[in-house]
Amino acid sequence: TQLLEQSPQFLSIQEGENLTVYCNSSSVFSSLQWYRQEPGEGPVLLVTVVTGGEVKKLKRLTFQFGDARKDSSLHITAAQPGDTGLYLCAGANQGAQKLVFGQGTRLTINP
Amino acid sequence: DARVTQTPRHKVTEMGQEVTMRCQPILGHNTVFWYRQTMMQGLELLAYFRNRAPLDDSGMPKDRFSAEMPDATLATLKIQPSEPRDSAVYFCASGLPLGLAGDNEQFFGPGTRLTVL
Repeated sequence: TQLLEQSPQFLSIQEGENLTVYCNSSSVFSSLQWYRQEPGEGPVLLVTVVTGGEVKKLKRLTFQFGDARKDSSLHITAAQPGDTGLYLCAGANQGAQKLVFGQGTRLTINP
Repeated sequence: DARVTQTPRHKVTEMGQEVTMRCQPILGHNTVFWYRQTMMQGLELLAYFRNRAPLDDSGMPKDRFSAEMPDATLATLKIQPSEPRDSAVYFCASGLPLGLAGDNEQFFGPGTRLTVL
């Protein structure tokens, strides 16, 4: 069974600070996705990383896929209250549309 | 703006009652997923369908849960009889046909918050 572990589970920081969230597995994935979920809504895809070592940037968010395609990180620079939410990583395997989700990191940015 | 829709958004019921949740996937999406989300367990896959056929329902308690796709525009998840431990948010998600670019992205609906008393 493939598992994804996210850390930390909870993070509360002040506006303007930087943070990193981690997603780790002992299994190799063909791609990894990051979703953000706001209260009362379903998860929404932020990014997909496919190549080992790949780095993608989305404004103040930087996503990295590990060289061995077993782990990923999400770094937020100068966090803002609008970044508050549940961040989920999800691993995918080639040819399969079923995703393996991590438990999530619940992020709170205080004004 | 194409979105996955789910009804009802909230449901409160008593133990033993039947609960039916409905989902309309995005037009053109042929893969449908049902998830359950709780604080303790996170997001759990219950079942998924491709072209209306069930591919995997191993995450679903078979004795009380059933999932169907009567047609391409409707997916249902039924619990009978419901129990307090079924209280959770149930999400439906849909995805593009396998082989198309972005075929492993899932588009989630807003969820049905179920409370079983």
